[in-house]
Amino acid sequence: EDQVTQSPEALRLQEGESSSLNCSYTVSGLRGLFWYRQDPGKGPEFLFTLYSAGEEKEKERLKATLTKKESFLHITAPKPEDSATYLCAVKTSYDKVIFGPGTSLSVIP
Amino acid sequence: DTEVTQTPKHLVMGMTNKKSLKCEQHMGHRAMYWYKQKAKKPPELMFVYSYEKLSINESVPSRFSPECPNSSLLNLHLHALQPEDSALYLCASNLGTGGASGELFFGEGSRLTVL
Repeated sequence: EDQVTQSPEALRLQEGESSSLNCSYTVSGLRGLFWYRQDPGKGPEFLFTLYSAGEEKEKERLKATLTKKESFLHITAPKPEDSATYLCAVKTSYDKVIFGPGTSLSVIP
Repeated sequence: DTEVTQTPKHLVMGMTNKKSLKCEQHMGHRAMYWYKQKAKKPPELMFVYSYEKLSINESVPSRFSPECPNSSLLNLHLHALQPEDSALYLCASNLGTGGASGELFFGEGSRLTVL
């Protein structure tokens, strides 16, 4: 069965304290792995797409990496405005996009 | 600002009402999606339309009825809902369901409350 898990469930960081979020997946034929940011009461906002192991993407303080079984979202020197829920999603060979449960990130000034 | 527009932003309805949620995109995308999201949970896929044809129905109860009048519009008709159907309903679109295209562009959602 296709499955996406994320850890930790919640993360509190001091401003400037770098860390990583994890996304692990088991899918039948990965067609892409996606990272989204979601603010409360809003729709998810697309951040990155990764297609193959070894691929990396960067945007401001965020960097996403992909291996054969997991992806990491590294956040460097976070700011309070980075506080949000970060969702990982995978596209399967059946063209379904399945979301992980998310990591709720709080950055404390 | 999102390029996927959903209306209404908030909807309160009784269990006997009939209402509709609407979604519109003008990005030339050929696939459109409905997701349901409960509080502190990830979005759950409900329906996928590809080139205006229903391609995925995730065993959603018949009280939810999707419609895709054209490639820019997606509706979700609601009838005889239950209180547990209260959730944020998200519309999304992307270039298409084939190949490796996958990044979804979401609307702001319609917050539905069923009394």
